[in-house]
Amino acid sequence: DAKTTQPNSMESNEEEPVHLPCNHSTISGTDYIHWYRQLPSQGPEYVIHGLTSNVNNRMASLAIAEDRKSSTLILHRATLRDAAVYYCILWNTGNQFYFGTGTSLTVIP
Amino acid sequence: SQTIHQWPATLVQPVGSPLSLECTVEGTSNPNLYWYRQAAGRGLQLLFYSIGIDQISSEVPQNLSASRPQDRQFILSSKKLLLSDSGFYLCAWTPDLGGRSEKLFFGSGTQLSVL
Repeated sequence: DAKTTQPNSMESNEEEPVHLPCNHSTISGTDYIHWYRQLPSQGPEYVIHGLTSNVNNRMASLAIAEDRKSSTLILHRATLRDAAVYYCILWNTGNQFYFGTGTSLTVIP
Repeated sequence: SQTIHQWPATLVQPVGSPLSLECTVEGTSNPNLYWYRQAAGRGLQLLFYSIGIDQISSEVPQNLSASRPQDRQFILSSKKLLLSDSGFYLCAWTPDLGGRSEKLFFGSGTQLSVL
């Protein structure tokens, strides 16, 4: 299964934008890029996913590099409730959702 | 709407005792079902997944087993727990869309402490 690489931790000030990077240099042409986040003592929740084009939803935006070897999850205005571990995952037909260790985001008031 | 139920929320078991964790999904049919485990301070490890009744795939060989006796019921079991089985166990599901990418939905988890 294709691997993703994320920084272990990041910090952001409240109400500022946050850019969470993910590298996936071995991505295949049919791999979808998924992002999930996990609050303490809870199961992960879906944030966003995409294939080739940038995606926006009410939670975040996903910017996908033209060569698809990297992507960035963008939180437009960080709040304290956005403090969580963010996971970048590649998914393809017949494969499963393999989670790495993710990026632990700290939001500073 | 679809919901996923997982119980119990917390469990403390002695080493060598059996384990049974249950997960059910409502509001959908033929979901893909998953069991994950998260050790303290670690990422999620996929343990088992199932694409249908009695169709179970194991990702990691260990003293755990999974069963799917009904379409929307997924059970994680062990005959004899080890200290290393402690962790946060999560059940999850996705719709079966024949290859289209879809969201993974998680239950609220079971915190298992083996003493």
